[in-house]
Amino acid sequence: DSGVTQTPKHLITATGQRVTLRCSPRSGDLSVYWYQQSLDQGLQFLIQYYNGEERAKGNILERFSAQQFPDLHSELNLSSLELGDSALYFCASSVGAASYEQYFGPGTRLTVT
Amino acid sequence: GQNIDQPTEMTATEGAIVQINCTYQTSGFNGLFWYQQHAGEAPTFLSYNVLDGLEEKGRFSSFLSRSKGYSYLLLKELQMKDSASYLCAVRVFSGGYNKLIFGAGTRLAVHP
Repeated sequence: DSGVTQTPKHLITATGQRVTLRCSPRSGDLSVYWYQQSLDQGLQFLIQYYNGEERAKGNILERFSAQQFPDLHSELNLSSLELGDSALYFCASSVGAASYEQYFGPGTRLTVT
Repeated sequence: GQNIDQPTEMTATEGAIVQINCTYQTSGFNGLFWYQQHAGEAPTFLSYNVLDGLEEKGRFSSFLSRSKGYSYLLLKELQMKDSASYLCAVRVFSGGYNKLIFGAGTRLAVHP
């Protein structure tokens, strides 16, 4: 158990809908990272927040957005969902901002039908 | 661009040694990580190299050559539970921040 929690574990929704994924980092970690992992691609970095501020951006679509709240938990919002958005979404956390050792949560499996 | 290559699949025998290679072409190299990921589960940290040479941690060792853009993960005394995907990830510094770029992973099957 990494200490990172994610909810929900599974999510099934229809195309065009919007969903919110939630992540709580390990106690004491200030950075939260979001990754997408689909079958045909490896782990893709989406976005990083550090202490409430956006720190780094990867291959995040404009339909996706994220935020980190004062209690350091983070939410990833996915809207206008398409079939290709079906994937495992992982959250990771680390102490600092420098993307050093990251601890991954158990993931949310999103299925878009 | 940033590119990381690893073999897609490997098989090995219980008790044996296996070496998983990773080559990378990246700018702003700032360290290399290996993660283990069992199917449907979260990646877990195995090792980190930032300087050339070998880092040993129990049954697992990782090697880095920055001049060659090359790393390998060595797994000794293989156990059935080592069947998993092994992800090579390069930390790059670009645009004022660090980020991890992952390879597609190497699926290792350990058989009796």
